[in-house]
Order: sequence, then structure tokens, then C-alpha cells
Amino acid sequence: GAGVSQSPRYKVAKRGQDVALRCDPISGHVSLFWYQQALGQGPEFLTYFQNEAQLDKSGLPSDRFFAERPEGSVSTLKIQRTQQEDSAVYLCASSLAPKGAGTDTQYFGPGTRLTVL
Amino acid sequence: RKEVEQDPGPFNVPEGATVAFNCTYSNSASQSFFWYRQDCRKEPKLLMSVYSSGNEDGRFTAQLNRASQYISLLIRDSKLSDSATYLCVVWVGGYQKVTFGTGTKLQVIP
Repeated sequence: GAGVSQSPRYKVAKRGQDVALRCDPISGHVSLFWYQQALGQGPEFLTYFQNEAQLDKSGLPSDRFFAERPEGSVSTLKIQRTQQEDSAVYLCASSLAPKGAGTDTQYFGPGTRLTVL
Repeated sequence: RKEVEQDPGPFNVPEGATVAFNCTYSNSASQSFFWYRQDCRKEPKLLMSVYSSGNEDGRFTAQLNRASQYISLLIRDSKLSDSATYLCVVWVGGYQKVTFGTGTKLQVIP
């Protein structure tokens, strides 16, 4: 079946531009995660949704970062007034069960590589 | 101290060798542990969960040591296709965030 998809795969933005990154999770997956991965680092947690509810946004680095999942399926990560330090790969992952269930596998999308000039 | 720490490597090993990685975590309340594999410029994929009793999947063995707060991954009879970055993942529980380590890079050499 279809996996997690993300678009665009690559995005180049000028400093100060706003960007929107899209994630289509696996159909029926309750949990959705966003991560930021800098070169040579592991994924850093940004935010977590259970259906449409954003239950944890503790990893969002600033108020320029905003995520939504209004209908409990597709999610969008928006970055306003992009800065060079925002350059990274943004990964989306989904899992079947609510995170509270504990041991569920996360399925990752291919990521969006954002470069801010 | 970082929440999850791994030796970044790289570990360069010949084909057929046995190699082991450790990952330490700081929160003693951590409940779930995983190893993910990430190939260059690809997304992470689950390699295996780590259970309290330890678990084995073919050439791969994962162990958990709660007393010393680390998990390990052992790869026997390394193959060229094992070359990748191995990410340690820890989850505290409830609605706490999932934390990834920085990854350990393995390069298996012919």
C-alpha cells in the first residue's frame, strides 16, 4: 500500500520567505510526527498530532513554526520568515496507534529538503 | 548530558565481522526503545524494537540494560548492505516526545 508521502521533496527559499510543507500519512494512521534533521544529526522532534489534536509541540524551535492537521489526515508544517538555520530535512512520520500505546512503529516519509539562501 | 547519546563513528568493519553499538539514555523512566536504520539521504526505517529480555532477528541482536541505562545493537556476519546509520530511539511514555540519537555510522568494507 501507499506509504507516507511528502511534498515538495526539495524547496529553496530566500531568507524571509514563508514556506509550507505537506505530509500525507498512511491512511488510517492516528499519530503523526514532524521532525527536523540537520546534516549529520538524528531527527529532532518538532510536534505530534493524534488525529487532529496537536498534543505536543514542545519541539517547535520558535513561533515562526506552525503545524496543523485540521481533518486528522494530511498535515502541513509552515515556517514563516525563514532563516538560514532553518535549512534541514523535514521528516514526517505516522503510526497506527496513539503514541500513548507506546511501542508502535513510525513510518517515515522521504522528507522535504529545505534550503534557505 | 544529552537525552540520548550515541558514538557517531564511523565504524569501518570488514565483511563478515561482528560489530556492536551502544546507546545511552538519561531518563530512567524511559519505556520504549528502538533501533532505526537510515541509509544515506533516505528516511529512517525501523530495524527492531528492543525488549527488556533482549531480542534477536537473524544477524541482529538488541539488548536493554536498564540499570546502566543503555541499549545495544549487535550485528553478526556484517554484509556490505548493512552500511548505514543506525539511530537509537527512546520514548519516555504518555505524550512525551520520541527522542532520536544522532546515529552511529557503519561502513562495511569488502
